[in-house]
Amino acid sequence: DQQVKQNSPSLSVQEGRISILNCDYTNSMFDYFLWYKKYPAEGPTFLISISSIKDKNEDGRFTVFLNKSAKHLSLHIVPSQPGDSAVYFCAASFQGAQKLVFGQGTRLTINP
Amino acid sequence: KAGVTQTPRYLIKTRGQQVTLSCSPISGHRSVSWYQQTPGQGLQFLFEYFSETQRNKGNFPGRFSGRQFSNSRSEMNVSTLELGDSALYLCASSYLGVNTEAFFGQGTRLTVV
Repeated sequence: DQQVKQNSPSLSVQEGRISILNCDYTNSMFDYFLWYKKYPAEGPTFLISISSIKDKNEDGRFTVFLNKSAKHLSLHIVPSQPGDSAVYFCAASFQGAQKLVFGQGTRLTINP
Repeated sequence: KAGVTQTPRYLIKTRGQQVTLSCSPISGHRSVSWYQQTPGQGLQFLFEYFSETQRNKGNFPGRFSGRQFSNSRSEMNVSTLELGDSALYLCASSYLGVNTEAFFGQGTRLTVV
């Protein structure tokens, strides 16, 4: 039972444009969400997080949107840069669970 | 400030052996979690420790165990290694563990032959 889903295995975006990565979840108990960027054979790098009491959080070029009614979150990267090419994971947790549940990841490729 | 440090980075073991992996969290962080990443299963939660106590455990066999020391450093042990245990093992540290940012180490790549 996959509680966190990233339905797009890959995404290709032109440099300078907006990249939008999507994530859906099924467990309504999740109340904290995170996005990570990962290169092969390395650990995930934390990008941005959002609590369920908010619907938007921004940090520089990264913005995360949360739609609780749709159980959907998205990560916007503006403008996209070649260094953004990596696999992006969304993760979710809830109070008392003491663990992160990860999606399967989306490979983002930024084309010059 | 130093990040999460995992040692060793790479390890090759034979089936049936046991292995111990180490993780030093970010200074001040009291929660350490372990995850296994494989191509087929993605990132799977193994267990989480806070102040030397295991608070949660994932759906892995008893061959996988861990512990945390008073300085928050953590170790995980896998006994009677199987080929399927080949994976990238990742450690994450956070201040409180629950609903706070978690930062990952570089991982230990374990290959079982």
